[in-house]
Amino acid sequence: QVQLVESGGGVVQPGGSVTLSCAASGFIFSTSAVHWVRQAPGKGLEWLTVISDDGDYKYYADSAKDRFSISRDNSRDTLYLQMSLLRAEDTAIYFCARESVVGDVFDIWGPGTMVTVSS
Amino acid sequence: QSALTQPASVSGSPGQSITISCTGTNNDIGSYNVVSWYQQTPGKAPKLVLYGVNKRPSGISNRFSGSKSGNSASLTISGLQAEDEADYYCCSYARGSTLYVFGTGTKVTVL
Repeated sequence: QVQLVESGGGVVQPGGSVTLSCAASGFIFSTSAVHWVRQAPGKGLEWLTVISDDGDYKYYADSAKDRFSISRDNSRDTLYLQMSLLRAEDTAIYFCARESVVGDVFDIWGPGTMVTVSS
Repeated sequence: QSALTQPASVSGSPGQSITISCTGTNNDIGSYNVVSWYQQTPGKAPKLVLYGVNKRPSGISNRFSGSKSGNSASLTISGLQAEDEADYYCCSYARGSTLYVFGTGTKVTVL
């Protein structure tokens, strides 16, 4: 079935780095834009970044543009999010989400991976 | 870009209708018919329930409907059922570097 599955979360020290992965299956990954969205504990959803289907275009939220980097490997059906200089406020569940063919809608979400920034 | 404003909680009895509002600005909701709504139950990923203001994805009950007026959008759930108890988030495309802005979220309780 159509699905996304994130991995790579865990406990990271302040100032550290981590790379999250999102494995896609059940659809033609290379034809979809994909996004990262996060949710701090007990808080709402926050859009972070998107990458176009071919990887040529990337856009970032103001909160992500200086420290986060999105990339994809269409040969591996995998999306990535590199995060650096992590702060306590980056503690959150990180979701990857597929953009629908109609555009500007997140129609498939992964279950998320938790990143905890703590010493 | 600030989050869209939603009421923190809305409740209703089974069979009743409830409406969740989502207020933005002319930099987001007011400028684009790109409003979507997501349902999230505890410990789960969000699930799309409406897009394009009032379109339902395949498999979503016609008890869910949406509208938009000016800088605000709304989600109405009619014939409220116990399974509708969840958090609901609106989302809009936005002008600026932060392309999408979510609402603050509304907890729906079925009494």
